[in-house]
Amino acid sequence: DIQMTQSPSTLSASVGDRVTITCRASHNITTWLAWYQQKPGKAPKLLIYKASTLESGVPSRFSGSGSGTEFTLTISSLQPDDFATYYCQRYNSFFGPGTKVDIK
Amino acid sequence: QVQLQESGPGLVKPSETLSLTCTVSGASISSYYWSWIRQPPGKGLEWIGYIYYSGSTNYNPSLKSRVTMSVDTSKNQFSLKLSSVTAADTAVYYCARGTVTTTGYYYGMDVWGQGTTVTVSS
Repeated sequence: DIQMTQSPSTLSASVGDRVTITCRASHNITTWLAWYQQKPGKAPKLLIYKASTLESGVPSRFSGSGSGTEFTLTISSLQPDDFATYYCQRYNSFFGPGTKVDIK
Repeated sequence: QVQLQESGPGLVKPSETLSLTCTVSGASISSYYWSWIRQPPGKGLEWIGYIYYSGSTNYNPSLKSRVTMSVDTSKNQFSLKLSSVTAADTAVYYCARGTVTTTGYYYGMDVWGQGTTVTVSS
């Protein structure tokens, strides 16, 4: 089965910082990767699908890239609303373990 | 807009079967994949499986022996049954909509329920 990993598991950053989260798949998943943001007590929210396509309504400071087995989610300038946990997901199934972005 | 609402018992006894239903409003259940995802307290998201509106299913291998999903298109609902539960099944359970086109293009899980907490305890 294809395993998903993320790094780092926790990331401490300040407002305005550029933040990058990495997701790796154990086998080639081409570009079938989605990214989600989850805040405490809330359901996850879709940010990006097909590795780099921004979901409607998601701020343009979020971007995704990658293909094959390595993917990145970048927040160009971290905003107060962005402190949350981020998950990658492969094609309609398994999620990565998550990356918590907290305040430095 | 499209909304999903999970419903079912919040407390289930060990060894019994957990049963949840997700009601879809604002859109037809047809032409989408409908997933169940859970999140144990303080942990990450675990995909349980999905059911297509036609009834075809795909389950997480780690849970496959205990999971059954079904869909009722007349009621715009889909359901999850998880048998022989233990304390490890205590979690917030989410239902979500996944869009996959006929050519296999995956648009992500774009609509989620608010989640329902299920505790397994005697």
